[in-house]
Amino acid sequence: GNSVTQMEGPVTLSEEAFLTINCTYTATGYPSLFWYVQYPGEGLQLLLKATKADDKGSNKGFEATYRKETTSFHLEKGSVQVSDSAVYFCALSAGNTGKLIFGQGTTLQVKP
Amino acid sequence: NAGVTQTPKFQVLKTGQSMTLQCAQDMNHEYMSWYRQDPGMGLRLIHYSVGAGITDQGEVPNGYNVSRSTTEDFPLRLLSAAPSQTSVYFCASSQDVARSRETQYFGPGTRLLVL
Repeated sequence: GNSVTQMEGPVTLSEEAFLTINCTYTATGYPSLFWYVQYPGEGLQLLLKATKADDKGSNKGFEATYRKETTSFHLEKGSVQVSDSAVYFCALSAGNTGKLIFGQGTTLQVKP
Repeated sequence: NAGVTQTPKFQVLKTGQSMTLQCAQDMNHEYMSWYRQDPGMGLRLIHYSVGAGITDQGEVPNGYNVSRSTTEDFPLRLLSAAPSQTSVYFCASSQDVARSRETQYFGPGTRLLVL
């Protein structure tokens, strides 16, 4: 079946450091891939998405590229800020049921 | 637009009690769903609905019931609460269920503690 695996956290970085959060997936067909972010005490909100191979999603300085050959969708940011501290979820959606399959989430803490 | 709203924000139940978690959206979305979030497990799908009058089970449906009488509302019912149902519950909606690329919009969550 479909599944998503994320690197385990927590990830602790200093402000302005480079961020990578790894995400790999298993899916039949051609899924859409998403990164959702959950700030403390809030619900999830979409950070970025990519709907076909080689697409790059980007938003707020974050980016991720849909790599079908390595079944990956790693999240990157060149210079993190304290305000980026949150839990990041990689997810996929396949077929026509609207179901999202989530990874376990990665907690990012950015220190000043 | 209020987006997706959930009530209550926090609830404490005793084992065996029943309750309904409310979810509403004002975006005229076809698709609505309920997830539970547990530490280290991400979010898991409980039930979903592709339109008024149509519901289906997700990954972890046991102990939960849903109905969809209107496009706007999608309540989640716990008939007899158990400590294993202690979790944070999120409702989500999206525009077009037939397109897997659609963004889902999440509510703020309901934190449930079952003693």
